[in-house]
Order: sequence, then structure tokens, then C-alpha cells
Amino acid sequence: GQSLEQPSEVTAVEGAIVQINCTYQTSGFYGLSWYQQHDGGAPTFLSYNGLDGLEETGRFSSFLSRSDSYGYLLLQELQMKDSASYFCAVKSGYSTLTFGKGTMLLVSP
Amino acid sequence: DSGVTQTPKHLITATGQRVTLRCSPRSGDLSVYWYQQSLDQGLQFLIQYYNGEERAKGNILERFSAQQFPDLHSELNLSSLELGDSALYFCASSVEVIGELFFGEGSRLTVL
Repeated sequence: GQSLEQPSEVTAVEGAIVQINCTYQTSGFYGLSWYQQHDGGAPTFLSYNGLDGLEETGRFSSFLSRSDSYGYLLLQELQMKDSASYFCAVKSGYSTLTFGKGTMLLVSP
Repeated sequence: DSGVTQTPKHLITATGQRVTLRCSPRSGDLSVYWYQQSLDQGLQFLIQYYNGEERAKGNILERFSAQQFPDLHSELNLSSLELGDSALYFCASSVEVIGELFFGEGSRLTVL
């Protein structure tokens, strides 16, 4: 089977940097994705790591270490609008995308 | 707007009933995925179709079924509904079998 572990909640202040970790166990691993979801809305894609290393997209970066079955999402220059749930998701097997339970990020002024 | 359309947005029904949720994928996307999200839970994968054929199955109950039609829209049928089936049901689509998923706004089902 597959399992993903990520913290349930993270708090930070505006302008700060926050890191959301994700560890996974799966067979046939292809890559690690990150999605953002605001208050029950549609999840939206943030990033994908298929290879080890850091991927940067604006204020967001994502990292993957395949040997450690570990990844993280780094959010810089936090803004109030970044308050949301963040899900890591593992792409494995032929097509399925398995999501973690999500990390609720609370950004305060 | 992701381009994925789901109807209805909200649905309230009683235990034992049957409902159908509908999803239209983005233009050109051949893969359709269904996910269930209960309160404070992650996204549970239910089932995936690719160009009309079932491609992968997750934790989908036997009371639930789905299909993808020739025009690529998909329907998720939920029958003999129980209180625990109350959840947000998301449809997502992608261009390829493996690719970035684009989610619809979801159908919120409440079973009373």
C-alpha cells in the first residue's frame, strides 16, 4: 500500500518562511506533487518533483529526496492569502495519485 | 477556473437514496478521476477512467459505480446512501494517464 505523512497544522506570520514536510512509503514511485486547497474549494496544483532536488516557482519551492522518501514544500514571503491546506501526493503505479491528509497553514499578521 | 465542471454543486438527500454526480473534463483531457473528501480528511481516490475505460480503482465502495461516456464526461453513481457518505466529491481531469490534475469545484453531498 501507500502512506504519506505530513504535519496536520503549521502556523507562521506574514513575511516569514515555512516548510511543510512530507514522508511517504510506496511502491513504483514516480514523483511527488503538491496541491493547495482553500477552505473546501478545488485543489490546485503547485509543483511536481520527479527527480531529486529543488524546483522553484516564484515564492514556492519543492524538494525531493527519493533515497529518503522525503520531500518538502517551502513557502517564502508568506502572505495572508497563503492560509490554506497543502497536500502532498505521490504518483505511483500506472496512474493513481495518492494524497496525504493535508497540512493546514495558518498565516497571522 | 480549472475548466472542469461538476454538477450539482450541492445535494441533500436521505439515507437509502441514490444520486448521480456529473463531471465534464477540460477540453482535450482524456483522463477523469474521482476523489472523496470527508470533513478534515484528505482526498481519497475512488476511481479513474481514461478515454472511456476504467484505468485504476481505489477505495471505492461496492455501492458506488462510475462510468465515462464517449463524449468523455463522467458520472459517479452513489446508491443505498448512508450518513457516512456525506462528503465533498471531486472530479479531476488530466491530459495523459499521468499528469497534473485539474480539479472541479466539487459536489457537496449531505445525507440526512
